[in-house]
Amino acid sequence: GNSVTQMEGPVTLSEEAFLTINCTYTATGYPSLFWYVQYPGEGLQLLLKATKADDKGSNKGFEATYRKETTSFHLEKGSVQVSDSAVYFCALSPETSGSRLTFGEGTQLTVNP
Amino acid sequence: GAGVSQTPSNKVTEKGKYVELRCDPISGHTALYWYRQSLGQGPEFLIYFQGTGAADDSGLPNDRFFAVRPEGSVSTLKIQRTERGDSAVYLCASSLMALGADTQYFGPGTRLTVL
Repeated sequence: GNSVTQMEGPVTLSEEAFLTINCTYTATGYPSLFWYVQYPGEGLQLLLKATKADDKGSNKGFEATYRKETTSFHLEKGSVQVSDSAVYFCALSPETSGSRLTFGEGTQLTVNP
Repeated sequence: GAGVSQTPSNKVTEKGKYVELRCDPISGHTALYWYRQSLGQGPEFLIYFQGTGAADDSGLPNDRFFAVRPEGSVSTLKIQRTERGDSAVYLCASSLMALGADTQYFGPGTRLTVL
């Protein structure tokens, strides 16, 4: 079946540090890939997505590239801010059989001033 | 415009009771999804609707769980004979269509606590 594996957390960084959160997936064909973010006290929000191989999704300074050869969709940001502190979820939606999302376990990011 | 809304935001019940959780999707969205999120975990799929019909209910854990969407808009998730293990945040999402590439927009969730 489909699965998503995220790097183990939590992650603690200083402001302006470089961020990478690793995400790998298992799925047949070409799933769509997503990063969702959950800020404290808020609901899940889409951060970015990519729907085909080699696509790069980007938003709010975050980027992730759909790598079919390594089945990965790592999230990066060049300079994090305190306001980026949140839980980040990698997710996939299958190419076939409907559009249910399969999520990773989430990575808690804390950015200190 | 209005996002996905869910009511109640919190529900505390006793073991064995029946509960209903409501989801009001974004207007015009034909697809509606239910997920369950336990503490420290990612959301897990329960069921999704395309219009009024349940297109995939393979995530429902057992026959105590049931969901309806009679008019293709509002949906209700129903849990019979609740158990302590049902305690979680129940999330609803909607998307314009039920295509894999479509963005799902999530509601704030209903936190269910079974005592």
